[in-house]
Amino acid sequence: DAGVTQSPTHLIKTRGQQVTLRCSPKSGHDTVSWYQQALGQGPQFIFQYYEEEERQRGNFPDRFSGHQFPNYSSELNVNALLLGDSALYLCASSPGWTGIPTEAFFGQGTRLTVV
Amino acid sequence: QKEVEQDPGPLSVPEGAIVSLNCTYSNSAFQYFMWYRQYSRKGPELLMYTYSSGNKEDGRFTAQVDKSSKYISLFIRDSQPSDSATYLCAMRSDSWGKLQFGAGTQVVVTP
Repeated sequence: DAGVTQSPTHLIKTRGQQVTLRCSPKSGHDTVSWYQQALGQGPQFIFQYYEEEERQRGNFPDRFSGHQFPNYSSELNVNALLLGDSALYLCASSPGWTGIPTEAFFGQGTRLTVV
Repeated sequence: QKEVEQDPGPLSVPEGAIVSLNCTYSNSAFQYFMWYRQYSRKGPELLMYTYSSGNKEDGRFTAQVDKSSKYISLFIRDSQPSDSATYLCAMRSDSWGKLQFGAGTQVVVTP
């Protein structure tokens, strides 16, 4: 089992551009959450997807949007990139039927640098 | 005021010492309390979790939750250089809810 996989690993974008990050959940998991982790900070919740719908959203602007596909994989889109969007973006997956923390796993993250 | 407060460190200890980490929080609705370990350039890895109050022990790790004081702790006994990492506390109020993380404490265990 490959666990949670994220792509790409790193990318560099120019201010004002748009970016799409991808996440494949662990096999058997149907819930995907996205977090933003700025350097030296803890992860901040962006949103969570379940059954292809956004179930919860954190305090992020509408420039941040997402999607979940029927195979449970997910995308995070960020429009009009700002320098402050530079961060490690983490995807976490879990089986929707349980809230047990040991069932949730994080991916390795995508390091986004905005220049 | 942040919902979860955690001293960012760094915390430097000699090998074999006890590492003591803690977080305070303000949201009394939190029911699940987790500790994650994060190595540089990696995703967080769950170490331990506690539901509601109490203590939990797993090998060299002990987690404590005091809901009356809104204070949680993680102790690492017989620390090893491989324990050098950032330790994140995280909390949530229900089975579905978002995780609220602390800022993370960087721990360095010197041989």
